[in-house]
Amino acid sequence: GENVEQHPSTLSVQEGDSAVIKCTYSDSASNYFPWYKQELGKGPQLIIDIRSNVGEKKDQRIAVTLNKTAKHFSLHITETQPEDSAVYFCAASKNTDKLIFGTGTRLQVFP
Amino acid sequence: DVKVTQSSRYLVKRTGEKVFLECVQDMDHENMFWYRQDPGLGLRLIYFSYDVKMKEKGDIPEGYSVSREKKERFSLILESASTNQTSMYLCASSFGGPNYGYTFGSGTRLTVV
Repeated sequence: GENVEQHPSTLSVQEGDSAVIKCTYSDSASNYFPWYKQELGKGPQLIIDIRSNVGEKKDQRIAVTLNKTAKHFSLHITETQPEDSAVYFCAASKNTDKLIFGTGTRLQVFP
Repeated sequence: DVKVTQSSRYLVKRTGEKVFLECVQDMDHENMFWYRQDPGLGLRLIYFSYDVKMKEKGDIPEGYSVSREKKERFSLILESASTNQTSMYLCASSFGGPNYGYTFGSGTRLTVV
């Protein structure tokens, strides 16, 4: 079955710097890759997703890139702000299968 | 907005008690899921359901059962609570069909003493 690995487990950046979180997946048939943000005391919230027919997607300060050949995808956050501090999860699935989640990255943005 | 509501934010139960965690979604989603979240282990799938009265085991079903009598409601049952079931429990739902993201509830933090 699918396996998703996520790195790093923790990431600290200075406000205004960029942050990059990377995930790899094992099943080459996977075709949907969402990212979730979990703030303290809340459930994870979908922030951006990408499908396998697209190599990159942007939404303001966040972007996701997908390399199908290497089977990895990344979340990029530019101009980080303290409110970006949270736990981020990547996930992968194919067709109607359930999502397989990575183990999460705790991002801390210091003022 | 899609809303997934978990009935309790915090629960404290005694070892051996039967515990019910309730989850309701209001967007007519076909799929519903129960996860537990523990530090360093990420989100682990306990049970899921793609339709009313249907249930499938996830990765860690031992000690749990579920009930889905209505489309909007998915209940997680701890038959006999144990201290190692102390955790954050998250419910999620999604549309059926391919490639839809999940909407999560805010979670229930369960402590078994």
